[in-house]
Amino acid sequence: AQTVTQSQPEMSVQEAETVTLSCTYDTSESNYYLFWYKQPPSRQMILVIRQEAYKQQNATENRFSVNFQKAAKSFSLKISDSQLGDTAMYFCAFMQGSGGYQKVTFGTGTKLQVIP
Amino acid sequence: DAGVTQSPTHLIKTRGQQVTLRCSPKSGHDTVSWYQQALGQGPQFIFQYYEEEERQRGNFPDRFSGHQFPNYSSELNVNALLLGDSALYLCASSPGLAEEQYFGPGTRLTVT
Repeated sequence: AQTVTQSQPEMSVQEAETVTLSCTYDTSESNYYLFWYKQPPSRQMILVIRQEAYKQQNATENRFSVNFQKAAKSFSLKISDSQLGDTAMYFCAFMQGSGGYQKVTFGTGTKLQVIP
Repeated sequence: DAGVTQSPTHLIKTRGQQVTLRCSPKSGHDTVSWYQQALGQGPQFIFQYYEEEERQRGNFPDRFSGHQFPNYSSELNVNALLLGDSALYLCASSPGLAEEQYFGPGTRLTVT
């Protein structure tokens, strides 16, 4: 079974600064997807960024980027130029990529507070 | 273009009762997954429906059942409610078995 671990329950960052959220996972699969989801206080889960395991290049979406270390099974999220709207729960998630499986396993989340 | 919608927004039930939650997927999506998110926790996968069949199931008892209709909308049913069933129930949809899922706002279920 896959597991996803987020070891930082809460973090804070000053507005305009950079913050990195950590995530490790455990799987025996070689083909899978990794995601970072954002859940603001309004509850709607929003996909922030995704990474295919077969791609060596780290994914980037505007101010959001990941550091994907496949051998170490590490998948951290870097948020640059933090904005007040980035305040939310952030969930790291794993999905097996073969056999039509779409079950997503989530971590326990990191609560990020952006301070003005 | 409406995203994923869920109803009701909030629900209060008594132990032992039964509840039905509803989800309409995003336009063009035919796969629906359900998740349970306890307070302060990450979502836990309940099951997934595709082509009106349950394709995968997480570690949830048979009290949790579902259905998918020809228009791809879905229902989650929970029988014999327990206090521990209190949670936010999230529905997510995707086109086919694509990896990117779009989540609805959730239904907050409180069991007293």
